[in-house]
Amino acid sequence: AQSVTQLGSHVSVSEGALVLLRCNYSSSVPPYLFWYVQYPNQGLQLLLKYTTGATLVKGINGFEAEFKKSETSFHLTKPSAHMSDAAEYFCAVTGSGNTGKLIFGQGTTLQVKP
Amino acid sequence: DSGVTQTPKHLITATGQRVTLRCSPRSGDLSVYWYQQSLDQGLQFLIQYYNGEERAKGNILERFSAQQFPDLHSELNLSSLELGDSALYFCASSVSGKADTQYFGPGTRLTVL
Repeated sequence: AQSVTQLGSHVSVSEGALVLLRCNYSSSVPPYLFWYVQYPNQGLQLLLKYTTGATLVKGINGFEAEFKKSETSFHLTKPSAHMSDAAEYFCAVTGSGNTGKLIFGQGTTLQVKP
Repeated sequence: DSGVTQTPKHLITATGQRVTLRCSPRSGDLSVYWYQQSLDQGLQFLIQYYNGEERAKGNILERFSAQQFPDLHSELNLSSLELGDSALYFCASSVSGKADTQYFGPGTRLTVL
């Protein structure tokens, strides 16, 4: 069975500050991990994903995440927040089996203050 | 624009009714997924199809059914609707139906009164 826990349903940062959104997963098989972003009244957009290989993954809009197997974590970071980063962020996991169904965390709303 | 289209954008209906949500995947994608997003349950996987065949099933109620047609578009049928079925329903598509990138449509917002 797989599950995802996102620590903090709401994170607030100042513009220009570091963004850190936390994600821990549980998986009985090697996980494939994803971060998606959802802007108001829109669908989900992929930020980045980890499948195999390099554990530090770079995504769009300056975001990156590091897969740490020993900590079962896949935290999302961005060095400097921009007002346009305000959105809801979802961490998701899937396995390497015959289906790509995604198991999502509860989401973290990022607020960016001027 | 992800290339995945969903219709209708909004749907308002009454309890006990039946509705059909439609999804057209990106060109070249063979797999379609349906997800439900609600305030209390979050984002939940419902069902997946690959090239017309059901591949995986999640927390989908018996009142709900889906299919994928030969032209690869998919429909999600919701019947005997209850107030609690009010949610945002997303369709996503991917090429292989395995752990590849899923592209999400804009969603259909269902309101059951």
